Amino acid sequence: DAGVIQSPRHEVTEMGQEVTLRCKPISGHNSLFWYRQTMMRGLELLIYFNNNVPIDDSGMPEDRFSAKMPNASFSTLKIQPSEPRDSAVYFCASSLGRLAGVRDTQYFGPGTRLTVL
Amino acid sequence: GENVEQHPSTLSVQEGDSAVIKCTYSDSASNYFPWYKQELGKGPQLIIDIRSNVGEKKDQRIAVTLNKTAKHFSLHITETQPEDSAVYFCAASSTGGTSYGKLTFGQGTILTVHP
Repeated sequence: DAGVIQSPRHEVTEMGQEVTLRCKPISGHNSLFWYRQTMMRGLELLIYFNNNVPIDDSGMPEDRFSAKMPNASFSTLKIQPSEPRDSAVYFCASSLGRLAGVRDTQYFGPGTRLTVL
Repeated sequence: GENVEQHPSTLSVQEGDSAVIKCTYSDSASNYFPWYKQELGKGPQLIIDIRSNVGEKKDQRIAVTLNKTAKHFSLHITETQPEDSAVYFCAASSTGGTSYGKLTFGQGTILTVHP
């Protein structure tokens, strides 16, 4: 299996621009998670989906952030407009979900390093 | 919601020594405790996990212990090697209610193993 795939791996943009991060979860996984990692705040869960439906978006910092999962094999995280404080590494992770029972392991992608100038 | 505290934030050991990282959690409903290792420029990778019905689990040089009463769990690495140098994260999750599968991570421990 190819694992979780994220693109782009690096993104440099200017303040005010729209940024779209993409994720392809592991085939057969039913849950998908978006995280943000910074030195100051560590790993933060932004939003997660189960069977393509957003379950908990309480971690989304503000309305500038939005996420979609149009089908089981693709998700996007969009920031519009972007700000310098959005600079971070964004990870996507997927898991089997309830089918896995208690041991629902999350598998992380390689991340997208976002720099907003 | 769940809160996970992890200590120490940095840990430096000599090759061959043991390393111990400790975490505490707040939600008594949490029943799954994975540990992740993150190498530079990569995403976190699962190295070992434990469920709440088990007190200890070992996998070669890595072991995890869980004390449900005290709500803490620990990662033990024996015979450390330079390639063990990385950031380690503990996490906790519950299979109950709407938070099913939602992991809460500790702040991370930077482990450095000196040759």
